[in-house]
Amino acid sequence: DAGVIQSPRHEVTEMGQEVTLRCKPISGHNSLFWYRQTMMRGLELLIYFNNNVPIDDSGMPEDRFSAKMPNASFSTLKIQPSEPRDSAVYFCASSFGQGFASYEQYFGPGTRLTVT
Amino acid sequence: EDKVVQSPLSLVVHEGDTVTLNCSYEVTNFRSLLWYKQEKKAPTFLFMLTSSGIEKKSGRLSSILDKKELSSILNITATQTGDSAIYLCAVNDYKLSFGAGTTVTVRA
Repeated sequence: DAGVIQSPRHEVTEMGQEVTLRCKPISGHNSLFWYRQTMMRGLELLIYFNNNVPIDDSGMPEDRFSAKMPNASFSTLKIQPSEPRDSAVYFCASSFGQGFASYEQYFGPGTRLTVT
Repeated sequence: EDKVVQSPLSLVVHEGDTVTLNCSYEVTNFRSLLWYKQEKKAPTFLFMLTSSGIEKKSGRLSSILDKKELSSILNITATQTGDSAIYLCAVNDYKLSFGAGTTVTVRA
């Protein structure tokens, strides 16, 4: 059974460019989460969706970040324009449960983003 | 603001030793506490605790929650080099807040 799938695994881009990260959650899971991890700030929750609807985006750093979940099997996190301080590993995770994270979350392998 | 604090930040032990990791929290609407292990990749789920005083066990790892003390401990007995990782604690109170993690290094 496939776990959470993320693409690309690595992304190197120049400041000012648009970056799109993609996630396919585990089939049957109805909650999806986007996280960012850096050495300085650790693991941070950016946004989460329940049944394809954004529930809490209070962790999204600023307007340059946006996330969508057009259907139960796909989500994107977009950064436009990207800045060097956005360099981090971005994880997508999914879980099954009503409300928020009633059950354990399963993480994807992450996308390592480097903005030069 | 919600807070999750883990201690110690790091520790080095020898194979066979027992390790105890701590997680304390201050959140408004506690629902559950989760432990994750992170090696050089994504976090992997270890335990979810919702009830105070009930120990969860998986092999050499065990964890218990104390809601009165607003804390949890994660024990690893008979440590092996494969236990070397960052152990993350997260508290679910309608959002998930992570601690900074404890880096465990097990030397052969």
